[in-house]
Amino acid sequence: NAGVMQNPRHLVRRRGQEARLRCSPMKGHSHVYWYRQLPEEGLKFMVYLQKENIIDESGMPKERFSAEFPKEGPSILRIQQVVRGDSAAYFCASSPRSRSSGNTIYFGEGSWLTVV
Amino acid sequence: QKEVEQNSGPLSVPEGAIASLNCTYSDRGSQSFFWYRQYSGKSPELIMSIYSNGDKEDGRFTAQLNKASQYVSLLIRDSQPSDSATYLCAVTPTYSSASKIIFGSGTRLSIRP
Repeated sequence: NAGVMQNPRHLVRRRGQEARLRCSPMKGHSHVYWYRQLPEEGLKFMVYLQKENIIDESGMPKERFSAEFPKEGPSILRIQQVVRGDSAAYFCASSPRSRSSGNTIYFGEGSWLTVV
Repeated sequence: QKEVEQNSGPLSVPEGAIASLNCTYSDRGSQSFFWYRQYSGKSPELIMSIYSNGDKEDGRFTAQLNKASQYVSLLIRDSQPSDSATYLCAVTPTYSSASKIIFGSGTRLSIRP
């Protein structure tokens, strides 16, 4: 009974490179959320996706960041031309249906991005 | 005003005592409230969810919600050293049709032996 699976767990990128973070939701879950956590700070909402749909991307930076959740395969958070300020833990969470129905979200183990 | 506010701590509590963690939120219409625990370097894990005014108990944990005061708290009875962690309060605001969950910055709790 696998939980939310994220990979890679740790990623090091040089400034200007691209980072791709992947998230497979729990079995039976069709909703995915991405959060970012800077060192010593709280979780900041980035984006909420359903299969093939971005529902809310109000927390995503306007440039360099994108997310997708294709019909087949994991959700991908993509960061282009990374800068040092992108260094953070990126957490994915999933839920079986819309949060408005009262469901809880469950977090993956996180992907720690370090930009050097 | 932050959407979800918590005292950052650290809050130091002796082992065996009651730890009380507090959280206020700005959206009066919020309906869903959660407490997550996060150990250093780990992901958040759900401790409690609460949706209606009053108390909800689960083992050593009690969540308290007061919607009129826009206040939610978490009590931990018989505190153990393993309870030392950061506790995150989370709320689903009503302004978001997408039902995203907003987190506070967390309160660091330290249980001293």
